[in-house]
Amino acid sequence: AQSVTQLDSHVSVSEGTPVLLRCNYSSSYSPSLFWYVQHPNKGLQLLLKYTSAATLVKGINGFEAEFKKSETSFHLTKPSAHMSDAAEYFCVVSGAPGANNLFFGTGTRLTVIP
Amino acid sequence: GAVVSQHPSRVICKSGTSVKIECRSLDFQATTMFWYRQFPKQSLMLMATSNEGSKATYEQGVEKDKFLINHASLTLSTLTVTSAHPEDSSFYICSARFIAVEQFFGPGTRLTVL
Repeated sequence: AQSVTQLDSHVSVSEGTPVLLRCNYSSSYSPSLFWYVQHPNKGLQLLLKYTSAATLVKGINGFEAEFKKSETSFHLTKPSAHMSDAAEYFCVVSGAPGANNLFFGTGTRLTVIP
Repeated sequence: GAVVSQHPSRVICKSGTSVKIECRSLDFQATTMFWYRQFPKQSLMLMATSNEGSKATYEQGVEKDKFLINHASLTLSTLTVTSAHPEDSSFYICSARFIAVEQFFGPGTRLTVL
């Protein structure tokens, strides 16, 4: 079965310091994994995706994530937080091959302190 | 990247009325469209999956007579909330998918039922 666990519901960092948003997944298949960002009252924007190619995935706005199969993790990182990074972040895993659905984590709210 | 639009972005209606929300894929033909519901400070909950020209598949617990979905073309899906009540107030987000597992999300529609 597919599932996603975002270990922190809320992360607070100071501007200019590193960001780490943690995500662990469970999958019966070789998964595709995604990180989406949602700003208040907005839809979801894709930050990056892993689809069985390079395990270190670089996304937009300086974010990157590393797929670690042995740890079933897909943590999102950024070297230096910017005020505009404050938002809700969702880790998402794909369903079974050929299935349409995605499985969402519960989200991590990132606060950036000036 | 692919663009998905939703209309309206927000709607306020009286209890008992019906509301239609449109979801359009602007620069690609979507084989499948999805409708999600998001409660405040929560993750997205998949309501239904629709393929062009066929009946939507609803998730368990979602009333198909309450949330009517029509997917008339490869670029348009509509969600109609029938006889809306205050508990239907929520943020509704659609997404569209072409071939790959990745979904492209619309900006969402905020529904408030008075």
